[in-house]
Amino acid sequence: DQQVKQNSPSLSVQEGRISILNCDYTNSMFDYFLWYKKYPAEGPTFLISISSIKDKNEDGRFTVFLNKSAKHLSLHIVPSQPGDSAVYFCAASRYGGNTPLVFGKGTRLSVIA
Amino acid sequence: GAGVSQSPRYKVAKRGQDVALRCDPISGHVSLFWYQQALGQGPEFLTYFQNEAQLDKSGLPSDRFFAERPEGSVSTLKIQRTQQEDSAVYLCASRRNRLTGGKNTEAFFGQGTRLTVV
Repeated sequence: DQQVKQNSPSLSVQEGRISILNCDYTNSMFDYFLWYKKYPAEGPTFLISISSIKDKNEDGRFTVFLNKSAKHLSLHIVPSQPGDSAVYFCAASRYGGNTPLVFGKGTRLSVIA
Repeated sequence: GAGVSQSPRYKVAKRGQDVALRCDPISGHVSLFWYQQALGQGPEFLTYFQNEAQLDKSGLPSDRFFAERPEGSVSTLKIQRTQQEDSAVYLCASRRNRLTGGKNTEAFFGQGTRLTVV
């Protein structure tokens, strides 16, 4: 039973346009959410996070939106750059505790120049 | 170094062989996690340590898998009598403990060990 779902395995976007990556979760105990970026042959690197007390968090070109009622979050990348091409993982955990992150299967983003 | 270090980067094992995978977390990080990532999948949780205590091993797929962190820093994941289904990338992550007030922090991952069982 997948508690964190990324239903789009891949996404192609033109350079300069917006990339929107989506993530859904089923466990209502999750209240801390993260996005990780992964290049081939490297480990995941942290990108941005959001706690359930917020509905938006922004860091430069990256913004994460959280809709708690829908159990849905999304990552917006504006403007998209070729270097953003990677696999993006959504992860969730319980806030404030040292509980493990639960990951989605990832979405492969390709930014086309 | 400043990051999480894992060794070896690549390991080829014959079926039935025992393997040991090493993780050096970021200095001072209290929490350490092991994940298994199969091809085309997201990382799946295996086990978690806080200092030397193994607080959760619910993700270990069988009793052939064993992890330890005897001095609260370096950790070793051991797989006995490897099977082909054990082929995956094994990721280690560390995280400093939550700050006063309960703020969570992100986990930092190593580059992983790619295990291939033939």
